[in-house]
Amino acid sequence: DAKTTQPTSMDCAEGRAANLPCNHSTISGNEYVYWYRQIHSQGPQYIIHGLKNNETNEMASLIITEDRKSSTLILPHATLRDTAVYYCIVRAPYNQGGKLIFGQGTELSVKP
Amino acid sequence: EPEVTQTPSHQVTQMGQEVILRCVPISNHLYFYWYRQILGQKVEFLVSFYNNEISEKSEIFDDQFSVERPDGSNFTLKIRSTKLEDSAMYFCASEGRVRGLVYEQYFGPGTRLTVT
Repeated sequence: DAKTTQPTSMDCAEGRAANLPCNHSTISGNEYVYWYRQIHSQGPQYIIHGLKNNETNEMASLIITEDRKSSTLILPHATLRDTAVYYCIVRAPYNQGGKLIFGQGTELSVKP
Repeated sequence: EPEVTQTPSHQVTQMGQEVILRCVPISNHLYFYWYRQILGQKVEFLVSFYNNEISEKSEIFDDQFSVERPDGSNFTLKIRSTKLEDSAMYFCASEGRVRGLVYEQYFGPGTRLTVT
């Protein structure tokens, strides 16, 4: 089963920041937090991952709390094309198991 | 940018028929996966494949399923005798090392399998 808890749905106004929370209170010390998204029925798309430091790439920022029990994915300027289901996934490095376990995710609706 | 490709995009088959879903992973990746998603449900792991053998499989991946990497580039999922409940989107994924022990897994666009 998924080791994360996310809100079922969220709305965001176009051009504003979208902040998607995730709780992973049972995360182990060597487990990473990954974020993926799925637009309609397309294949899941990798967004970002982190261990304990905050991370930023061209798509998003990932803020992980100091105790690592929760994190927030930030889309700084959401567009209509960011409407998707966002999955927060906790995962060990590959030598402990490579599969991704998807939960229900957060359905983000970006509105004009 | 390299990407995972899958063919066909949509496959319609009759119950009891065999189907083969094909995937071309990203070329320098070594780890390969199949997932499926029944309409309206979660993405579910089926099987992982490394070094020409299955490394892990789920309860869904029973004797009706098999995977193969026949020619070093393609990665296939075969369902020997399809059932109505096999109707789903099937996603192939491949994975490469980014740095240290951290890997990123990339998904293909999926094959929609419809069993009638």
